[in-house]
Amino acid sequence: AQKVTQAQTEISVVEKEDVTLDCVYETRDTTYYLFWYKQPPSGELVFLIRRNSFDEQNEISGRYSWNFQKSTSSFNFTITASQVVDSAVYFCALNDYKLSFGAGTTVTVRA
Amino acid sequence: EPEVTQTPSHQVTQMGQEVILRCVPISNHLYFYWYRQILGQKVEFLVSFYNNEISEKSEIFDDQFSVERPDGSNFTLKIRSTKLEDSAMYFCASGTDSSPNTGELFFGEGSRLTVL
Repeated sequence: AQKVTQAQTEISVVEKEDVTLDCVYETRDTTYYLFWYKQPPSGELVFLIRRNSFDEQNEISGRYSWNFQKSTSSFNFTITASQVVDSAVYFCALNDYKLSFGAGTTVTVRA
Repeated sequence: EPEVTQTPSHQVTQMGQEVILRCVPISNHLYFYWYRQILGQKVEFLVSFYNNEISEKSEIFDDQFSVERPDGSNFTLKIRSTKLEDSAMYFCASGTDSSPNTGELFFGEGSRLTVL
């Protein structure tokens, strides 16, 4: 069985603040993949990043960064200098032969 | 860039009616999926399809649901007799032969179903 927990239901920030989204996962597999997806108000799912369980190197891509810690089963996501267009629901997901999503965190960025 | 397309984007139906949601996956993909998202809730796996048969289904995917690939390009989800609780956004996704291992799926923009 696998499980993805996003403890934060909603986060509201003022533009230019940083936002960190928490994700904790459970799996018995040694090989797995983790994802972050964004769902803007228009409803589509936008792929942001994928990480495999063997790659704990954290990364920065523009205003996005990820912190993968296998020891604590966490895969956190940070938006630096948030913008109004970042307002969306963000989903963490885990794959072990099928993709399972967390409950999502609604991010609202106010101008 | 190839993409997964879904039709209709929004369908309103009466309870008890049959609904067919259509998806055109990326042409060289081998794995096909349907996911469901009830409004305000998480995205849930319904079914995966490979080699013209269901490879896995969730407990949500009961006898009211069926999938098929009738013509080698479309991938359809049929709900035989819709219930109010079937109201949701339905996402189709497709993937390559590595997708079951990597989880790399390509999602369509979704079909919103409203059951009255």
